Amino acid sequence: AQSVTQPDIHITVSEGASLELRCNYSYGATPYLFWYVQSPGQGLQLLLKYFSGDTLVQGIKGFEAEFKRSQSSFNLRKPSVHWSDAAEYFCAVGRTDKLIFGTGTRLQVFP
Amino acid sequence: DSGVTQTPKHLITATGQRVTLRCSPRSGDLSVYWYQQSLDQGLQFLIQYYNGEERAKGNILERFSAQQFPDLHSELNLSSLELGDSALYFCASSFSGTGSGNTIYFGEGSWLTVV
Repeated sequence: AQSVTQPDIHITVSEGASLELRCNYSYGATPYLFWYVQSPGQGLQLLLKYFSGDTLVQGIKGFEAEFKRSQSSFNLRKPSVHWSDAAEYFCAVGRTDKLIFGTGTRLQVFP
Repeated sequence: DSGVTQTPKHLITATGQRVTLRCSPRSGDLSVYWYQQSLDQGLQFLIQYYNGEERAKGNILERFSAQQFPDLHSELNLSSLELGDSALYFCASSFSGTGSGNTIYFGEGSWLTVV
């Protein structure tokens, strides 16, 4: 069955600290992988995507993610978190255009 | 701004009623998707249209229907509304629906509250 697991429901970090949000997937073939961010009361904004090629992808707002086929993972990272990064983050996978989303990780940033 | 426009942004209606949510895709995009986000179900794919034709169906209830018009805008019709239909409904669009890895861009959603 196709699924996405984000094991961390809620993460709290201090401003300036590094961040890693975990994402594991189950999919029949190598999927396309996405990270979206949802700020309170806002829609979903695409942070980055992986289709093929270099397994380390750079996105907007200083985020990056690494695709690890052997671990079926696509973890999101940021070296230094800003208070404005507080939001909910969703990992998504899909081979066709239908996306399967994880349950999201809520990021809280303390000053 | 993703370029995907959804109206209305907020809607409150009573049980048993019918509502229509409207979506204008990004300029040039042929594919439109509808997703439902609720606390208990998370983000669920409902349905996809490509250039006016239904392309894929997800967890869409029989009380719900959608269509994509010749000008490519789409409407999601929700009828016989129940309390459990209260959710954030997202529309999204992409250039094509051929599975070639096109990026899907989301609108800001329509908040539906059923009372």
